[in-house]
Amino acid sequence: DQQVKQNSPSLSVQEGRISILNCDYTNSMFDYFLWYKKYPAEGPTFLISISSIKDKNEDGRFTVFLNKSAKHLSLHIVPSQPGDSAVYFCAASSRAQKLVFGQGTRLTINP
Amino acid sequence: GAGVSQTPSNKVTEKGKYVELRCDPISGHTALYWYRQSLGQGPEFLIYFQGTGAADDSGLPNDRFFAVRPEGSVSTLKIQRTERGDSAVYLCASSLTGGYNEKLFFGSGTQLSVL
Repeated sequence: DQQVKQNSPSLSVQEGRISILNCDYTNSMFDYFLWYKKYPAEGPTFLISISSIKDKNEDGRFTVFLNKSAKHLSLHIVPSQPGDSAVYFCAASSRAQKLVFGQGTRLTINP
Repeated sequence: GAGVSQTPSNKVTEKGKYVELRCDPISGHTALYWYRQSLGQGPEFLIYFQGTGAADDSGLPNDRFFAVRPEGSVSTLKIQRTERGDSAVYLCASSLTGGYNEKLFFGSGTQLSVL
C-alpha cells in the first residue's frame, strides 16, 4: 500500500527551463510535506517543506504547491540548472506517522 | 558532529551471518530514525528513538531486526541471520526533538550486501 506516490520515475529538462515534479498521496491525515534531493552515494538532503495550512511555499528557485482536495503536491524548479540533476523524493508525515517517502523521480538537466 | 555519521559505508556479508550498523546523530538531536532503501524505491521507515527508548518500531520487518540507543546518542541496528533480501542501503537520520513537522537530517547510509 503505497501512501505516497511519484508516478514519473524519470524526467529530462533543458537547462534554464522549468522542472515540475509531481507527487500524490492517499492518507488524508498527512499534514506536513517535504521534498528531499539525493545525489549518488549520499543521503537525502532536505530541500523544501510545506504545512497543510498553506498551498504554496517558495525558497529561491524552488516552489512547492499543495492541493489538499486532490491530495497532490508538486515541486517547481525554475530556472533548472545542471546541478539540479539528482533523484527527488516527496515525503509526508502526520502526528501519527513518521515520514513516508515516495519512490523518487530522477531529474536530468540537459545543457 | 557536523552531520549524521554512519559506519561502515559498505558491508558485505554472507547469508546467515550477523551484522551491526552504527549511526552517530547530530549532537543535541534527541530523535533518531532508521530507514531502509531498496533499489529503485524510496526510504522505508524502520524504527524511531526518542532519547534512549524506541518510541516506534512498527517498521521493523521481523524479529531478526533490532536496534538500540543505550545512551541516547549513538545507535546500532542489528540484523541476525541475514538473508539476501536484506540487501539495501540502511539510512540513519536525526532531528532536534522528533516533532512530526521537523525535517530529518540523513547520513550517507550503509550499503549492505548479503551474498
